Amino acid sequence: QVRLVESGGGVVQPGTSLRLSCEASGFTFSTYGMNWVRQAPGKGLEGVASIWYDGSTQYYTYSVKDRFTISRDNSKNILYLQINSLRAEDTAVYYCARDQMLWSGGGGMDVWGQGTTVTVSS
Amino acid sequence: DIVVTQSPDSLAVSLGERATINCKSSQTVFFSSNNKNYLAWYQQKPGQPPNLLISWASTREPGVPDRFSGSGSGTDFTLTISSLQAEDVAIYYCQEYFDTPGTFGQGTKVEIK
Repeated sequence: QVRLVESGGGVVQPGTSLRLSCEASGFTFSTYGMNWVRQAPGKGLEGVASIWYDGSTQYYTYSVKDRFTISRDNSKNILYLQINSLRAEDTAVYYCARDQMLWSGGGGMDVWGQGTTVTVSS
Repeated sequence: DIVVTQSPDSLAVSLGERATINCKSSQTVFFSSNNKNYLAWYQQKPGQPPNLLISWASTREPGVPDRFSGSGSGTDFTLTISSLQAEDVAIYYCQEYFDTPGTFGQGTKVEIK
């Protein structure tokens, strides 16, 4: 079945780095745009980064633009999120999610992982 | 950046009654070249990831009960649950995907009165 499984979260100190992974299965990963969405404890959803199906173009929300890097390895069906200079406000559950529409993206996000938790604390 | 605002923040509705959630974007999310509104609705239950209910403002996703409907165009949108069921207790989010990454509304918590 169609599945996304995130990993790489944990408890980390401020200023350090972390790489999150999202392993996709059950669909042709290389034909879909992908996204990272985070949710701070008790808060709403925030789209933080998106990437085209072929990895050629990335988008970031303004608040993370210089610290987050989204990438993908279509040969391994894995999406990544590199987070540098972690701050307390990055504490959240990080979800990866698939664009509903093939190739062009859009249509909302129709497949979500269960999320991986990042806690930034000294 | 597009700002998306939902109202109300929470509502309590009796079982079988109608629930209405509003979503307003600061800019139009209607794309005239394909005549589509780039607006989605999600349902999130505690401890679970969001679930896509409606895309393109009014297209119900497969498997979503027909008591859920979306309407609106341009900057103003509505999610309606025509007859609230116990399993509909959740937080509902709208999201514009006219921008990338798209912006979510702050969420509306729906409870049983």
